[in-house]
Amino acid sequence: GNSVTQMEGPVTLSEEAFLTINCTYTATGYPSLFWYVQYPGEGLQLLLKATKADDKGSNKGFEATYRKETTSFHLEKGSVQVSDSAVYFCALSELVGRRALTFGSGTRLQVQP
Amino acid sequence: DGGITQSPKYLFRKEGQNVTLSCEQNLNHDAMYWYRQDPGQGLRLIYYSQIVNDFQKGDIAEGYSVSREKKESFPLTVTSAQKNPTAFYLCASSMQVNANTGELFFGEGSRLTVL
Repeated sequence: GNSVTQMEGPVTLSEEAFLTINCTYTATGYPSLFWYVQYPGEGLQLLLKATKADDKGSNKGFEATYRKETTSFHLEKGSVQVSDSAVYFCALSELVGRRALTFGSGTRLQVQP
Repeated sequence: DGGITQSPKYLFRKEGQNVTLSCEQNLNHDAMYWYRQDPGQGLRLIYYSQIVNDFQKGDIAEGYSVSREKKESFPLTVTSAQKNPTAFYLCASSMQVNANTGELFFGEGSRLTVL
C-alpha cells in the first residue's frame, strides 16, 4: 500500500538558517505530492504541491521537487523565520479508489530568534 | 467566505457517551473526509464520502459512524465503542474526481477529550 516517511522532529533552527525536511514515499502509480503546514491549534493548510515527476512546488519561500527516481519530496527553505514554526506534513494522493491523502507523521519545526 | 466549518472546537465527554462532531462546507465539493490526529502519528483516515448518500470506511473506522444526507454536511459520531477517542479530529473536502489533483481543504479541527 501507500506510505509516507518523514524525518522525525523536532527540528530546531535559528532564524535565517537553511531548512530541509526529508520526505520519501511508497506508492503504486504516480501520485500527486503535497506539503501541508499546521500552526498550533489549527487545521492543515496546503503549503505546496507537485503533480508529476520533476515538478517543483513552491510557496512562501518553500520549495520541494518531485523526484520519482528516489521517491522523494524534500521540503527546503533558504532562510527560515520565527513565523515558520509549525508542524509540516508530507502527503501523497491516491488518484484512484479512495482519493484520500496518505500522510507522514509530521515534523515539528521550531525557529528561534 | 468559502470554507469548511467544524464544531465544536473543544468537546469534553464522559466515558460511555456518544458525541457528534459537525462538519459543514460551502465549497460545493463532492467528496468529504474525516481524519483523526494523534501526537506523533500524523493523520489517519476514519471515513470518507465521495457523493451524497454514500460513504466508505477508512483505515480506522471502528467505533465511529457517519452520514451524508446533504452535500454540504458530513457529521461524525464517536460512539462509546471507540476505545481511545481522545484526539484531534479534522474534516476535509475536495473537488469532484475529474478535476481533482488530490488536494484536500481542511477545517480548523475539533478536539475531543474523554474524561
